[in-house]
Amino acid sequence: DVKVTQSSRYLVKRTGEKVFLECVQDMDHENMFWYRQDPGLGLRLIYFSYDVKMKEKGDIPEGYSVSREKKERFSLILESASTNQTSMYLCASRVYGSNQPQHFGDGTRLSIL
Amino acid sequence: TQLLEQSPQFLSIQEGENLTVYCNSSSVFSSLQWYRQEPGEGPVLLVTVVTGGEVKKLKRLTFQFGDARKDSSLHITAAQPGDTGLYLCAGEKNNDMRFGAGTRLTVKP
Repeated sequence: DVKVTQSSRYLVKRTGEKVFLECVQDMDHENMFWYRQDPGLGLRLIYFSYDVKMKEKGDIPEGYSVSREKKERFSLILESASTNQTSMYLCASRVYGSNQPQHFGDGTRLSIL
Repeated sequence: TQLLEQSPQFLSIQEGENLTVYCNSSSVFSSLQWYRQEPGEGPVLLVTVVTGGEVKKLKRLTFQFGDARKDSSLHITAAQPGDTGLYLCAGEKNNDMRFGAGTRLTVKP
């Protein structure tokens, strides 16, 4: 079974801090994704990566950056956390190709105080 | 504005009832996926539909892809409390996938 592991289930940080969310997958998937999930808005794509060292902006990249130095790891960075970034963050991976399923981690619930 | 509109947003029913939830768009998709998400977990894939008019069955769940590949429905027969969760549809085109906001289903015993 594919396993996508997010480093923290819950995280509390302060406004202005630099925050790192880590995601690791164990199935050698090329594609990896970061979403945030808010009530009534569903999953919104922040950034995605087609392969190592590649990154593409999603629908809501402002205030975020990403890093993919190794194929199995995709990191989301909040450069200077703000209260409107309080949310559930979900990481996903999938094998390259059309119509492939995404495999999700269990999410990180991030609170910015 | 959501690319994919799911309805209803919330649904609460008694065990044994039937239900249908919908996923609609003005865009044409190469495929559409349905996921279920339980509290404290990430979404898990239920099914992928690819062909216009396609119907897939997964035990008590029936998924249909519209003829024009713009919409989809999920029908659950004789719902059980274990069906409780958030049902998300996701449409893909040009290797780009977008999710709807989901239908939150509660099945009461």
